[in-house]
Amino acid sequence: QQQVKQSPQSLIVQKGGISIINCAYENTAFDYFPWYQQFPGKGPALLIAIRPDVSEKKEGRFTISFNKSAKQFSLHIMDSQPGDSATYFCAASWRSYKLSFGAGTTVTVRA
Amino acid sequence: NAGVTQTPKFRVLKTGQSMTLLCAQDMNHEYMYWYRQDPGMGLRLIHYSVGEGTTAKGEVPDGYNVSRLKKQNFLLGLESAAPSQTSVYFCASSYDRDNEQFFGPGTRLTVL
Repeated sequence: QQQVKQSPQSLIVQKGGISIINCAYENTAFDYFPWYQQFPGKGPALLIAIRPDVSEKKEGRFTISFNKSAKQFSLHIMDSQPGDSATYFCAASWRSYKLSFGAGTTVTVRA
Repeated sequence: NAGVTQTPKFRVLKTGQSMTLLCAQDMNHEYMYWYRQDPGMGLRLIHYSVGEGTTAKGEVPDGYNVSRLKKQNFLLGLESAAPSQTSVYFCASSYDRDNEQFFGPGTRLTVL
């Protein structure tokens, strides 16, 4: 079974809106939580990552929120743009290898 | 730098045929990985390598073999392809266990 559960499966947001994707994990040994962005026909690319010593990390319009006690983390995409339309995967691992991925969320930003 | 490259980009096999997927990286990375991506499943780790001459099983290793004879190359083999192996295969590499994984463009494999 998947060690990382991701929701929603897909979402549609208007340009300028906020996209929120949630993930939950069970393995308390996980200490690395990256988010990957994938465009059609391409490989995933690292978007942003967090380690459990901080509760939030922001890079531009992308923010990870991390709740260690609830074993949950989420990606917020602020001021969503059509170019953000892609599939987003959360992942988790001990150190940074042997990643366990969520099932993915397809984000569509309507102009 | 080309980064991570994969050969071939597409392949169609018949059940029982064999093939090898090639992954190459020019970043002098120690760690290399093979994943498969299926709808609704995300990416799942098949095998990985922590250095030249080493390999280890990931989450879904059955039906696959790998070899890492050279540091820059990681081969994924299917000895007797099955329809359940129809998938998109991604190779990735990282400098070590504490650094970002870089992914290749993928190989779309169909087994009839």
